[in-house]
Amino acid sequence: KAGVTQTPRYLIKTRGQQVTLSCSPISGHRSVSWYQQTPGQGLQFLFEYFSETQRNKGNFPGRFSGRQFSNSRSEMNVSTLELGDSALYLCASSLGQRAEKLFFGSGTQLSVL
Amino acid sequence: DQQVKQNSPSLSVQEGRISILNCDYTNSMFDYFLWYKKYPAEGPTFLISISSIKDKNEDGRFTVFLNKSAKHLSLHIVPSQPGDSAVYFCAASALGNSGYALNFGKGTSLLVTP
Repeated sequence: KAGVTQTPRYLIKTRGQQVTLSCSPISGHRSVSWYQQTPGQGLQFLFEYFSETQRNKGNFPGRFSGRQFSNSRSEMNVSTLELGDSALYLCASSLGQRAEKLFFGSGTQLSVL
Repeated sequence: DQQVKQNSPSLSVQEGRISILNCDYTNSMFDYFLWYKKYPAEGPTFLISISSIKDKNEDGRFTVFLNKSAKHLSLHIVPSQPGDSAVYFCAASALGNSGYALNFGKGTSLLVTP
């Protein structure tokens, strides 16, 4: 069974640009979550989608948005990039039940110059 | 506001000895706890979990202890092996409509030396 796939693996953008990251969950998983990892901050929850609906949202500005498609694939968009958005963005999938483990992809390393 | 805290950024242990990684939390609504391990350039991988109805869960060399009154959990690795060298994240899930999000600590970098 293929794992969680995130593309691209690396991305370099400049301030003010926008970026779209993609995530393909494990087959059969209907929940996709996004997390941001920065040095010294651990993993911070961005949002979670289940069956194309955003079910939870973390404390991030509106520049961060996402969506989920009918095949459970998900995209995350960041508009008007800031230097502080440089981070590893991790996608995780699960069946969508409460209190279950998440399966993470390898992440997209975003650098904003 | 960091609701899950891992106060030791790093830990060094000799091969064969016990590694103890600690985690504290502030939200009394947390009822499910997990530990993840992360190698560089890879996503976190699930290690072990524990529900708040238990105080101990064991899986091979890994044991997680939960002390609800102290809002504290710990991960014990016995015996430690060099391949255990990684960053370990503690995570917690709460009852209620935020229950599908995991709250992570900042991680503890474990180095197991031969």
